[in-house]
Amino acid sequence: QKEVEQDPGPLSVPEGAIVSLNCTYSNSAFQYFMWYRQYSRKGPELLMYTYSSGNKEDGRFTAQVDKSSKYISLFIRDSQPSDSATYLCAPYNQGGKLIFGQGTELSVKP
Amino acid sequence: EPEVTQTPSHQVTQMGQEVILRCVPISNHLYFYWYRQILGQKVEFLVSFYNNEISEKSEIFDDQFSVERPDGSNFTLKIRSTKLEDSAMYFCASSQSPVREQYFGPGTRLTVT
Repeated sequence: QKEVEQDPGPLSVPEGAIVSLNCTYSNSAFQYFMWYRQYSRKGPELLMYTYSSGNKEDGRFTAQVDKSSKYISLFIRDSQPSDSATYLCAPYNQGGKLIFGQGTELSVKP
Repeated sequence: EPEVTQTPSHQVTQMGQEVILRCVPISNHLYFYWYRQILGQKVEFLVSFYNNEISEKSEIFDDQFSVERPDGSNFTLKIRSTKLEDSAMYFCASSQSPVREQYFGPGTRLTVT
């Protein structure tokens, strides 16, 4: 079983839609969870950082962690064409070593 | 806004040559990392570094790789004898602590011919 799994997509939605991006992980020791956005051939850009279970909201983005089911989600409200990118989830433990998923490619059509 | 910078943006080298990739982490950060991403694949952890020592390294980070903080601002990754399979994007990241957010640089694209 892979440590972190994401549906690679591509996921195509119309502008203004609510987007749900999901990630599962296998290591119950993970306590910290980050979401990054990556444009083609660019560095990962930090979107959200959460600790343990629960929700965290930042503008149009909401991160949700369910440690009991080892499931993490990122919701994007009112999606924009500029949100078109690959979204990477990265859980980790106290050592700081990020374990990345494959990434989900999102395309928001005007 | 502080950011991680990396040079060069693109490096082309011949197999067997040594390369040094450079990074300037965010100034008040103490923890530094290198990751790589082979085209079309996921981002993979290479090494973490704190207090002038390697904290953790992956299986990829073999004897051909080394890291150094030669002064108060730079953090470098050296590959002693490059192989074709070392061709990838190399990302530097930094954080204030190992449990805080990691900020990534724009990457160096290494092409080994």
